[in-house]
Amino acid sequence: DTGVSQDPRHKITKRGQNVTFRCDPISEHNRLYWYRQTLGQGPEFLTYFQNEAQLEKSRLLSDRFSAERPKGSFSTLEIQRTEQGDSAMYLCASSLWGHQQETQYFGPGTRLLVL
Amino acid sequence: KNEVEQSPQNLTAQEGEFITINCSYSVGISALHWLQQHPGGGIVSLFMLSSGKKKHGRLIATINIQEKHSSLHITASHPRDSAVYICAVRFQGAQKLVFGQGTRLTINP
Repeated sequence: DTGVSQDPRHKITKRGQNVTFRCDPISEHNRLYWYRQTLGQGPEFLTYFQNEAQLEKSRLLSDRFSAERPKGSFSTLEIQRTEQGDSAMYLCASSLWGHQQETQYFGPGTRLLVL
Repeated sequence: KNEVEQSPQNLTAQEGEFITINCSYSVGISALHWLQQHPGGGIVSLFMLSSGKKKHGRLIATINIQEKHSSLHITASHPRDSAVYICAVRFQGAQKLVFGQGTRLTINP
């Protein structure tokens, strides 16, 4: 257990439905990252926050995806009008930026299956 | 085109063998990470390197900045080392990590 939690761990949904995932980072960590991992591939960057500010978004993050970190603590990732291509593992990681050795601590992931 | 390349993609070995996994990247970096991912998805950070060599137990990570190459070594491999090992880099001037596709390691008893 790294101290980063994600909820739910698994989600099965039908195409066209909206889904929302939550990430709770390690409490003193100011950075929070979202990644997506498809089967047999390494993770791909989606977006990251420093405190409550969303500082970078990947072009992978289409307009159907939105992420928030309203109070600089937990974060949510919402996918609207899900498509089968959205099926993947969604990983969250947190870190203490400004610390000399910035190590990212990963959550267990949310595995999404879109039918 | 993935800017981080790992080899091999799959590696099967017998218990006790010395294991080497390689990672090459395209341009200058500020840091390189080695990560371990077990079935079920959880990722654990093993090392973060910007130069030289680090050792933790049976794991050794090295990096050659000039050659843009890093290796992860496992000595006296054990079946519990079976996992996917992922190399990830932070390119200079960037904040995000760029990941390799991973190396699936299987150690047979």
